[in-house]
Amino acid sequence: GQNIDQPTEMTATEGAIVQINCTYQTSGFNGLFWYQQHAGEAPTFLSYNVLDGLEEKGRFSSFLSRSKGYSYLLLKELQMKDSASYLCAIPWGGGFKTIFGAGTRLFVKA
Amino acid sequence: SQTIHQWPATLVQPVGSPLSLECTVEGTSNPNLYWYRQAAGRGLQLLFYSVGIGQISSEVPQNLSASRPQDRQFILSSKKLLLSDSGFYLCAWSVVWRSLNTEAFFGQGTRLTVV
Repeated sequence: GQNIDQPTEMTATEGAIVQINCTYQTSGFNGLFWYQQHAGEAPTFLSYNVLDGLEEKGRFSSFLSRSKGYSYLLLKELQMKDSASYLCAIPWGGGFKTIFGAGTRLFVKA
Repeated sequence: SQTIHQWPATLVQPVGSPLSLECTVEGTSNPNLYWYRQAAGRGLQLLFYSVGIGQISSEVPQNLSASRPQDRQFILSSKKLLLSDSGFYLCAWSVVWRSLNTEAFFGQGTRLTVV
């Protein structure tokens, strides 16, 4: 089956760096997505990893290790607006279905 | 550019009443369409997905149904709502590129409260 684990909550300070981890189990890997979701809003796409390694996109980077079933999202130079939930997701079932983790709620404090 | 419209944004319905949520996509053809539900503090649960007109796959047994009468229209329905149907409902679309499903783009969501 498919399973995704993420920490429930994290707190970090404005200007700092935070790493949000995600471990997954799936049969047939088709990549891993990260989404950001502000309270009461829809998720928005952040990154997609299908090969091992680090993908950098501005202040956000995402890392993938397929052999370990592990990914992390790295947020640099944290801003107050980064306070949100971060969802790890994996497609399966031929890619037509996407399973989402419960999300990690990040609180950025001044 | 592609856009997705979902309405209404909020809805309060009595138990036993019917439900119809509509979602339309613009700027793309033959998208994969999805309905998700999110309980408070939880991840997204996939309810239905569709790869074409009239093709609906249900992921969980429930009180809801979905239909796709047109290529870019996806409707979530219920004949009689239950209290447990309350939640945040999200419509989304994606396309398949080189055999891989791309990222999903979500509508604004509908917060449904069944009273």
